Amino acid sequence: DQQVKQNSPSLSVQEGRISILNCDYTNSMFDYFLWYKKYPAEGPTFLISISSIKDKNEDGRFTVFLNKSAKHLSLHIVPSQPGDSAVYFCAASAGGGNKLTFGTGTQLKVEL
Amino acid sequence: EPEVTQTPSHQVTQMGQEVILRCVPISNHLYFYWYRQILGQKVEFLVSFYNNEISEKSEIFDDQFSVERPDGSNFTLKIRSTKLEDSAMYFCASKAGHGGYTFGSGTRLTVV
Repeated sequence: DQQVKQNSPSLSVQEGRISILNCDYTNSMFDYFLWYKKYPAEGPTFLISISSIKDKNEDGRFTVFLNKSAKHLSLHIVPSQPGDSAVYFCAASAGGGNKLTFGTGTQLKVEL
Repeated sequence: EPEVTQTPSHQVTQMGQEVILRCVPISNHLYFYWYRQILGQKVEFLVSFYNNEISEKSEIFDDQFSVERPDGSNFTLKIRSTKLEDSAMYFCASKAGHGGYTFGSGTRLTVV
């Protein structure tokens, strides 16, 4: 059941450049999307979210873009910093209070 | 900043034994969840709990699993007879209403 897909298992970016992480979904009932960052042996840490009524949301260095017609969202991190190195999960839910469906994650490595 | 607290951080148990994983969600949150992540795999939904009852559960959450909110603050996950394949990181999460989910730092369960 691959309702949320992150097709790139890993991404390597130089410090200061833009990191773009991508996520695709298949369930048209999803109306709320989130990005989480996760370090090994820790819980997912919320980064940024977007409701289906918007196509862009910004928070500091993080911007999430949603293309509903393509069922695609992306997370842009600019400028990338070494501390951003972690696994990034895309997640989606259908309706407030409902469960999150996670993607498989993308390992981001920001190199000096 | 309010956080979700999980104990213990690591639990080792013998196959067939019962385990109880404990969570203290954020106090004014209404929705409570358990997720798990088997090593190298994605974060998977187990169960959601609202208004003192299970609102949704996944196929993983079979008769061996149960949840309780015994005293209005704790939220527990019990596995009655653990199997080797139950070894995973178990994450508790809570949510106020609309908005982001807050995850705990997880309990690493190792079944030997």
